[in-house]
Amino acid sequence: DQQVKQNSPSLSVQEGRISILNCDYTNSMFDYFLWYKKYPAEGPTFLISISSIKDKNEDGRFTVFLNKSAKHLSLHIVPSQPGDSAVYFCAASAVAGGTSYGKLTFGQGTILTVHP
Amino acid sequence: NAGVTQTPKFQVLKTGQSMTLQCAQDMNHEYMSWYRQDPGMGLRLIHYSVGAGITDQGEVPNGYNVSRSTTEDFPLRLLSAAPSQTSVYFCASTPSGGYIQYFGAGTRLSVL
Repeated sequence: DQQVKQNSPSLSVQEGRISILNCDYTNSMFDYFLWYKKYPAEGPTFLISISSIKDKNEDGRFTVFLNKSAKHLSLHIVPSQPGDSAVYFCAASAVAGGTSYGKLTFGQGTILTVHP
Repeated sequence: NAGVTQTPKFQVLKTGQSMTLQCAQDMNHEYMSWYRQDPGMGLRLIHYSVGAGITDQGEVPNGYNVSRSTTEDFPLRLLSAAPSQTSVYFCASTPSGGYIQYFGAGTRLSVL
């Protein structure tokens, strides 16, 4: 039972354009959502997060949108750069007392390729 | 700070062999976790620990043991390796009261 799903295995975008990565979840107990970026032969690195009490969070070129009613979140990268080419994982946590206790549920990942 | 350090980076085992994947963090994080990454499956939680002496099972714990004797170290033991355990293993740590996990570089394991 995949509680967090990234239905697009890959996405190809031209440099300077917008990249939109999507993620759906089924568990209504999730209340924190995170995006991680992963380069080959490296561990995932944290990119941006959003709490379920918000519907948008921005950090520079990266914006995450959350639609709780649809159980859907998306990551927008504007403008996209070749260095953004990586695997992007969506993750979710059911937080108690402000902590995940080290438990995240990940999606399958989306390979983003940004062409110069 | 080195962050989260995993050793070895690569390992090849024969079916039935045992081994320990090492994980150490120098950030004084309370929580530590082990994940495996398989193609098309994302990262799946194997075991996690909320503090020294306290561990619990994640989504895919079978075939793996863990212990947490210190805050810094969280080794993962494969008791009798099977080809199904061929994967990339990631260790992560989380500060007390937080939800962002910080990952090591991973161990790529092949079981023949």
